[in-house]
Amino acid sequence: AQTVTQSQPEMSVQEAETVTLSCTYDTSESDYYLFWYKQPPSRQMILVIRQEAYKQQNATENRFSVNFQKAAKSFSLKISDSQLGDAAMYFCAYKDSNYQLIWGAGTKLIIKP
Amino acid sequence: DVKVTQSSRYLVKRTGEKVFLECVQDMDHENMFWYRQDPGLGLRLIYFSYDVKMKEKGDIPEGYSVSREKKERFSLILESASTNQTSMYLCASSPTLGTSYEQYFGPGTRLTVT
Repeated sequence: AQTVTQSQPEMSVQEAETVTLSCTYDTSESDYYLFWYKQPPSRQMILVIRQEAYKQQNATENRFSVNFQKAAKSFSLKISDSQLGDAAMYFCAYKDSNYQLIWGAGTKLIIKP
Repeated sequence: DVKVTQSSRYLVKRTGEKVFLECVQDMDHENMFWYRQDPGLGLRLIYFSYDVKMKEKGDIPEGYSVSREKKERFSLILESASTNQTSMYLCASSPTLGTSYEQYFGPGTRLTVT
């Protein structure tokens, strides 16, 4: 069965610095999608960035980028120029041909002013 | 903008009560999901539905049932609430065609069973 592991329950970073959140996954599939979702305190979960496994190029969305290592089954999220509004729970998720997403346990990101 | 709404943000119920959590989406999405979120466990899928009147069990369906009579509405039912069902419940929807498979979430219902 597919699994997603986020080994960092909590991370902190100084405002304006860069932080990387880790995610590893286990699958025997070759075609799948990976996602990072953000859940701010008391607010709705939203998609931050998505990566399709067949694409070698790492996805980027403004200050958010991923380091996708397919062979190592690793999918880390880099946040550059961290802002106070980036404080949230971040979840890594995996999806293959099934309907459902497989979720990691989450990483709480704290931004220090 | 996709909007997913849930009937309550906070709910307090007594053990043994029947509890209804409602979710409505306005984007004509085929797929709808109910998750339970607990600290350190991430999101766990309770049930999902890929069409009206269709439902599939997720990872933790025990103690729950669902109903999808209309495309835009997906209800989660706790037949007899128990204290171990105290949790945050998240509803989500996603389109099937074309798709990025992005799921759009509601604000969540924090349920406390006493």
